[in-house]
Formats: sequence, structure tokens, C-alpha cells
Amino acid sequence: QVQLVESGGGVVQPGGSLRLSCAASGFTFSSYGMHWVRQAPGKGLEWVAFIRYDGSNKYYADSVKGRFTISRDNSKNTLYLQMNSLRAEDTAVYYCAKDWAYWGQGTLVTVSS
Amino acid sequence: DIQMTQSPSSLSASVGDRVTITCRASQSISSYLNWYQQKPGKAPKLLIYAASSLQSGVPSRFSGSGSGTDFTLTISSLQPEDFATYYCQQSYSTCFTFGPGTKVDIK
Repeated sequence: QVQLVESGGGVVQPGGSLRLSCAASGFTFSSYGMHWVRQAPGKGLEWVAFIRYDGSNKYYADSVKGRFTISRDNSKNTLYLQMNSLRAEDTAVYYCAKDWAYWGQGTLVTVSS
Repeated sequence: DIQMTQSPSSLSASVGDRVTITCRASQSISSYLNWYQQKPGKAPKLLIYAASSLQSGVPSRFSGSGSGTDFTLTISSLQPEDFATYYCQQSYSTCFTFGPGTKVDIK
């Protein structure tokens, strides 16, 4: 069965960096595009980034463009989100998702001094 | 970017009620519209994809309709486990915008 497990969340100071990981199993990871979606506390869902199956194309929300980088290692079945220049408004639970039908449990990122 | 709106933002309903939630896109998105259910502390669950296709395992009381800019999610007979927040999302453009959500709670 498809399983997506996020990790790497935590508390970071404004201006800091963090790298999230999403370990995938139960499907051929290298054949599917993958998304990151976030949800600030008590707020709605916000799409963050998408990467095609082979990493050839990447797309970002305007709110994170230039600060976040999505990447993948198909040999390790793992998706990444490198987050730099973090701001308080980046505080959220970050989910990875496949096909929109499969989501991880999320990892919480808190940006606070 | 394509903007998504939903109405109402919240509603109160009773078990057995028919519930309808609407979603509007700022431009035509054909049928590239998904609906999700989310409960507190949980990841979203895909209910409907391509505007009207029921995701595997989702009860048939959920249905979706619409195309272009106007879409509807209908729950034909609300069940206790359906109290949750519902989101629409467009997948027409590579900026996969979500609507602001509709919270369905118990009357």
C-alpha cells in the first residue's frame, strides 16, 4: 500500500533554514509527480510546490518562490523540500502528496524566535 | 493565478440532511476540480476528482457536478462522520489553488 512519511519539521528562527523529507513506499516513486502542501494553524490548505516524476520541471507558489526548493532522489524514493529564509508565516504542517489521493501525516514547522 | 472561492464558509446541518457546497473558479478550469474532506489533525481525504468522479472507497452519498467555473459538492444524506471541513481545488494550472474551505458542523 502507498505510504508517505514526512520528517524534518521542528522549530527554527526567522531567517533560518530547514529541509523536509518525504519517504515514499508502496508504489514506483520514480513514475509519479509529487506535491508539497501546507496548512497554517487553524487555516486552510495551501499548495506549496510540485515536481515532475523525473525532476525535470518544478513549480512553486508565489509565496515561497525563490526561498523554497523542491527536489527528489528517485534512488532513495524520497522527496525533499529545502526551506530557506523562513518567516513566521511559513509556520504550518507540511504534507507531501501523490496524485492528490495519497497524503502523508504531515510534519510541523514552527518559525519563531 | 486562478482564485477559488467557496460558499458558504460554514454551515450547520443535522444528520440526514442534504448538504450542498459550491465552489467557483476565477476562470474556466474545465473539469479540473477536486473535492477534499478534512477532519481536525488529519490529512485531507480526496472525495471527488475531475469534478464528478467518485474516488475509490468514498461513499456514494457524496457527489460532484459542474464544469467551467461553477462546481457543487453534494452530500445526499449527512452522516455523523461527515462533520468536517471541505475544500475544493483546481488542478487546471500548475498553481494548484485550494478554496478557503467550508466547515460543516452539527446543528
